[in-house]
Amino acid sequence: GENVEQHPSTLSVQEGDSAVIKCTYSDSASNYFPWYKQELGKRPQLIIDIRSNVGEKKDQRIAVTLNKTAKHFSLHITETQPEDSAVYFCAASKGGSYIPTFGRGTSLIVHP
Amino acid sequence: DAGVIQSPRHEVTEMGQEVTLRCKPISGHDYLFWYRQTMMRGLELLIYFNNNVPIDDSGMPEDRFSAKMPNASFSNLKIQPSEPRDSAVYFCASSPLGLATETQYFGPGTRLLVL
Repeated sequence: GENVEQHPSTLSVQEGDSAVIKCTYSDSASNYFPWYKQELGKRPQLIIDIRSNVGEKKDQRIAVTLNKTAKHFSLHITETQPEDSAVYFCAASKGGSYIPTFGRGTSLIVHP
Repeated sequence: DAGVIQSPRHEVTEMGQEVTLRCKPISGHDYLFWYRQTMMRGLELLIYFNNNVPIDDSGMPEDRFSAKMPNASFSNLKIQPSEPRDSAVYFCASSPLGLATETQYFGPGTRLLVL
């Protein structure tokens, strides 16, 4: 089955800095890669996703890049703000009705 | 739509007691998932259903755990007997996988503490 590794487990940055979270996957057939954000005490919620037919996708201050050859994808957050502090989960699946496999999560702390 | 609904939001029980967690998925979603979240193991998929049928329960830790989905509007997860190591946040999620979106919509979670 699919195996998703996520790094780092904890990331601490100053407000205004950029943050990068990286994930690798094992199944070359995976083609759908969502990212979820979980604020403290809240539920995980989808913030951005990418499919394997594109290499990058942006939404305001967040972006995701995908390298299919190396089987890794990354979440980039620019101009971080304290409200970006949360746990971020990456996931990989074959899309459609296939069940995604989640990474272990990265705790992002943005210091004011 | 109210989203995925879970109850109770918090549960404190003593070791050996039966615990029942409940979930109401978003109407029209034909996939339902049960996850367990702990600091040590992160987010673990316990079991998922498609059209009320259990598809994969390989994540269920042991026979003390069981889950049912008697209809499209309700699922429950039971732990009998409960143990302190079952303490975790249990999330239910639903999704219309394979249709318009693959997004999983999580409920607010049930925070379980077994003493």
